[in-house]
Amino acid sequence: NAGVMQNPRHLVRRRGQEARLRCSPMKGHSHVYWYRQLPEEGLKFMVYLQKENIIDESGMPKERFSAEFPKEGPSILRIQQVVRGDSAAYFCASSMAGVATGELFFGEGSRLTVL
Amino acid sequence: GEDVEQSLFLSVREGDSSVINCTYTDSSSTYLYWYKQEPGAGLQLLTYIFSNMDMKQDQRLTVLLNKKDKHLSLRIADTQTGDSAIYFCAESTGNTGKLIFGQGTTLQVKP
Repeated sequence: NAGVMQNPRHLVRRRGQEARLRCSPMKGHSHVYWYRQLPEEGLKFMVYLQKENIIDESGMPKERFSAEFPKEGPSILRIQQVVRGDSAAYFCASSMAGVATGELFFGEGSRLTVL
Repeated sequence: GEDVEQSLFLSVREGDSSVINCTYTDSSSTYLYWYKQEPGAGLQLLTYIFSNMDMKQDQRLTVLLNKKDKHLSLRIADTQTGDSAIYFCAESTGNTGKLIFGQGTTLQVKP
């Protein structure tokens, strides 16, 4: 049973370009979460999605960031017009339900570097 | 607001016990978690505890929760060099995956 799969693992972008990060949840999981980890900091919640719905986006920056989890295919975190401050590790996690079981399963992260 | 605090660094000798501490502020926390992150890797769930428990043991790991003081600790018995990693404490207050993480404690195990 494959775990949470994220790609790309590493992404380099120049200022002003777009970054697209993909996440395939664990098999049977319909809840996806995106977290951001700035260098030497803990993870900060960004957004919580179920299939075709954004449930909680209270941690998403108001501009340039968007997320989706379509009916078919992976969840996508999109960052438009990247700036140096967007350089971070972006982690996706999935769960079967609303973590009533208390468990989130994390991917290995996508590390974005903005030049 | 919600906040989770951890000490940043702990160094122990192989074979000793490690105790990593965490404090949180939100009294409505329902679940508290310990995650392990090795360099360049994702987070691995080690263990979690419900807020109505005060202790949970799982092999070499012991979690203690003092709800009155809002203090959580993770004890690793017989610490091994493979335990060297960053350990994150996290809390949640509802039935979603919106966790509040501490900044992580780097555990260094010396041979």
